[in-house]
Amino acid sequence: GAVVSQHPSRVICKSGTSVKIECRSLDFQATTMFWYRQFPKKSLMLMATSNEGSKATYEQGVEKDKFLINHASLTLSTLTVTSAHPEDSSFYICSASGGAGLALDEQYFGPGTRLTVT
Amino acid sequence: GQQVMQIPQYQHVQEGEDFTTYCNSSTTLSNIQWYKQRPGGHPVFLIQLVKSGEVKKQKRLTFQFGEAKKNSSLHITATQTTDVGTYFCGHGSGNTGKLIFGQGTTLQVKP
Repeated sequence: GAVVSQHPSRVICKSGTSVKIECRSLDFQATTMFWYRQFPKKSLMLMATSNEGSKATYEQGVEKDKFLINHASLTLSTLTVTSAHPEDSSFYICSASGGAGLALDEQYFGPGTRLTVT
Repeated sequence: GQQVMQIPQYQHVQEGEDFTTYCNSSTTLSNIQWYKQRPGGHPVFLIQLVKSGEVKKQKRLTFQFGEAKKNSSLHITATQTTDVGTYFCGHGSGNTGKLIFGQGTTLQVKP
């Protein structure tokens, strides 16, 4: 139980285009989803916290107009990287928490999406 | 949010040797969580500690939360090649459930 999927797993796009990444909780309804960014051999940097039906809360230094987050349902959150540039290339990971019967603080991570902007 | 410092950044051990990673904070933490990320994979939850002085064991892994709730450690006894990966500590910040992660310790095990 508590499986989180991400799609796509890998994407290559041209500079200036937008990319949408989906995060789904497959077997539970997540009250909260989180988006992280991870550079090679670095830690996970929290980008934003997303609750279903409300605006995402962005961490300091993260541009909300650059990284659009939509949390339309209890099982789906999307991250859109708008007008992507090479410096946006990274590993983006989502996590979900708060499902019924699950520990409140425990986060379940998706497999990640590797974005390469050329 | 409160920063947690994790040391060492890298550790290379011979299979069978022990390994410890430490997580330190300048302020009191409400809880500490540990995750493992295999190379090319995603973080997987290992455990959560909430009580002062708490010690929990999972087979060869021993997790400790300091008496002052400012530090934590993960100790692996007799490492195996399957232990390879990066171990992150993280703590809950605020009431949103968000986690702030340490820098991680990458463990390499030589067979």
